[in-house]
Amino acid sequence: ETGVTQTPRHLVMGMTNKKSLKCEQHLGHNAMYWYKQSAKKPLELMFVYNFKEQTENNSVPSRFSPECPNSSHLFLHLHTLQPEDSALYLCASSQDFLAGFTYNEQFFGPGTRLTVL
Amino acid sequence: AQSVTQLGSHVSVSEGALVLLRCNYSSSVPPYLFWYVQYPNQGLQLLLKYTTGATLVKGINGFEAEFKKSETSFHLTKPSAHMSDAAEYFCAVSGTGGFKTIFGAGTRLFVKA
Repeated sequence: ETGVTQTPRHLVMGMTNKKSLKCEQHLGHNAMYWYKQSAKKPLELMFVYNFKEQTENNSVPSRFSPECPNSSHLFLHLHTLQPEDSALYLCASSQDFLAGFTYNEQFFGPGTRLTVL
Repeated sequence: AQSVTQLGSHVSVSEGALVLLRCNYSSSVPPYLFWYVQYPNQGLQLLLKYTTGATLVKGINGFEAEFKKSETSFHLTKPSAHMSDAAEYFCAVSGTGGFKTIFGAGTRLFVKA
């Protein structure tokens, strides 16, 4: 596998279900991101992890719970979602700030298309 | 604070015509600017980036963009559109030392035969 992979690619769940999205990066990066992409809205940054530590939580509802066990893996645990949470969820990774890169060119996975019924 | 405005949510051009996608930014620090492309059912892919140095930046697939500080713009151009260029394009701005990249709302490019 190369780049950033996400599984599953498509997910349909009911409002009472619990599911998890998985992201894996094979680029040697140390920063990882979750974004939400809804139709007709700008990309919304949800969470940022740098060296496994969460550095940003953009006022995301608690029904979304991120987990970053190591710099290569990122999860998004979902529970009791609402229909308005239906969207494309994108994972991205980038070089960390401590490596001397002061800009964050991000590499994106293909996304998970989530539908909440 | 930083922000990005992409003028036009949809742009339609004929095959072979010039592509011009507009992006204006606001930044309180020297900006780093990016253009990403998203094809259907895929994630975003970096087209090109400006960090420092030459203000005319060349990217993949024949695209280029020019950083104009006086106009706070970073418009994306391609001399001759191809059908395969049909996609959504996102302009983004970042800054020194920060992890938060701000994305524009996107411009969907249609290419007519």
